[in-house]
Amino acid sequence: QKEVEQNSGPLSVPEGAIASLNCTYSDRGSQSFFWYRQYSGKSPELIMSIYSNGDKEDGRFTAQLNKASQYVSLLIRDSQPSDSATYLCAVIRGSARQLTFGSGTQLTVLP
Amino acid sequence: GAVVSQHPSWVICKSGTSVKIECRSLDFQATTMFWYRQFPKQSLMLMATSNEGSKATYEQGVEKDKFLINHASLTLSTLTVTSAHPEDSSFYICSAPTVSGEETQYFGPGTRLLVL
Repeated sequence: QKEVEQNSGPLSVPEGAIASLNCTYSDRGSQSFFWYRQYSGKSPELIMSIYSNGDKEDGRFTAQLNKASQYVSLLIRDSQPSDSATYLCAVIRGSARQLTFGSGTQLTVLP
Repeated sequence: GAVVSQHPSWVICKSGTSVKIECRSLDFQATTMFWYRQFPKQSLMLMATSNEGSKATYEQGVEKDKFLINHASLTLSTLTVTSAHPEDSSFYICSAPTVSGEETQYFGPGTRLLVL
C-alpha cells in the first residue's frame, strides 16, 4: 500500500464547475497535510495546508480533512482554465519533517 | 510566502562530469533543507535531508557518495551530482521549512539536469 494515494486522473471539468481532488494516507500518525499545485515544467506551489479535522477555506479552494478515515480532499470552486495543472497531496508523518507525496492528479479545466 | 532560489535553473553536461546545484533561502534561515528528484510523469521523490552543521540524511536507495550534499550555512545547501550519467537526468528541486517547527515548506524553482 502506498503511503499517500491519489486518483491519478486525468480529471476534466468544465470552466466554472467544482473540481474535487481526493487523497488517502496510510499512516495514522500523520499530522500535517498539504496540497501543492504543479504546472508542467515548474516546481510545486503551496495551495493549502490543513492540520485538524474539518474544512479550511481560502478563496476558491477548500481543503477537507478526516483523520478517522485517513482522507484529505481539495475542492476548487468556479474552476478556471488557469487551474489546469497537476495537484499533489503531501503528508508529514509523525515526528519527521519530510513531505511524502502522492503521485498527483492531473486536472484540466475546459473553457 | 517565503522565497527559495536555486541555481542553475538548467544545466547540460557530458557524462562523467560533476554538477553542483545551489539552493538558497532568501529571506529566512533554514537549518534543514530537502532535496527531491522528479522524473517525467512522476511525483517528487525525496532524496535527502540537508542539515546545517551536520551530515545529510539520505533516503534508502540514494547513493550518498554520488549525490554529495553540503549545508554550508543557514541559507545555503548544495547538491553535487558526481560523475553524472544519462540516468541522472532529472528535475532536481529543493525545499525548506520557514521556521523551526513550522511545517510549511516552500520549494525552489528547480534545476533541470540533462546528462549527454
